[in-house]
Amino acid sequence: GDSVTQMEGPVTLSEEAFLTINCTYTATGYPSLFWYVQYPGEGLQLLLKATKADDKGSNKGFEATYRKETTSFHLEKGSVQVSDSAVYFCALTVTQGGSEKLVFGKGTKLTVNP
Amino acid sequence: NAGVTQTPKFQVLKTGQSMTLQCAQDMNHEYMSWYRQDPGMGLRLIHYSVGAGITDQGEVPNGYNVSRSTTEDFPLRLLSAAPSQTSVYFCASSYVLPVAEISNEQFFGPGTRLTVL
Repeated sequence: GDSVTQMEGPVTLSEEAFLTINCTYTATGYPSLFWYVQYPGEGLQLLLKATKADDKGSNKGFEATYRKETTSFHLEKGSVQVSDSAVYFCALTVTQGGSEKLVFGKGTKLTVNP
Repeated sequence: NAGVTQTPKFQVLKTGQSMTLQCAQDMNHEYMSWYRQDPGMGLRLIHYSVGAGITDQGEVPNGYNVSRSTTEDFPLRLLSAAPSQTSVYFCASSYVLPVAEISNEQFFGPGTRLTVL
C-alpha cells in the first residue's frame, strides 16, 4: 500500500548548520506530498507541500522538491535556527472513497543547539 | 476563528472506563479525522468523516467509536479503555477534495494526552 519512509532521528545540529531530512514514498497514482512540523507541546501544522512532479514547496527557509523519478521529497534548509527544533513529518495523500487521506512517516526529531 | 479545538488536554483513565474526546472546528470543513500519535509510529488514522452523518474507519479503528451529527463536531468515544490506548490524540479537519481553488491543508488541534492505567 501507500507509505512514507523518512530518516530516523533524532537529528542534532548546531545553529546555522545545513539540514537535510530524507523522505521517500511508495504510492499508486500521483499523490500530493507534504511536510508537517510539530513544535513541542503543539499539534501539527503544514510547513510546505507540492502537488505534482518537479514542484518545489518552500516556507520559512525550508524547501522540498517533488522528485517522481526517485520517489523522494527531501526537506532542506540552508541555515537552521534554535527555533526550528521540532518534529518533522513527511506525508502523502491517498485518494480513497472520494476523499483524500494523509499517510504520515514516523517523524524526525530535530534539535538545534545555539 | 478558533480553528480546531480539542478537550480535554489531559486525561487519566482506569482500564475499563469510558470517555469521549471532543473535537470542534469553526472553518466549515467537511472532512474531519482522528489520529493517534505513538512514539516511533508517527500518526495513524483512527476514523474519519467526509460530512455530517458519514463516518468511516481508518488504519486503527478497534476500540473507538465516532459519530458526526453536525459539521462542526466530531467526538471520539472509547467505550472500554485499555492501556494500549495510552497515546496522544489529534483531531484534524480540511475541505473535501476535489476543490481545486481551495487548499487541501489539514488543520490540527492541539491534542489530548490520554493515559490508561
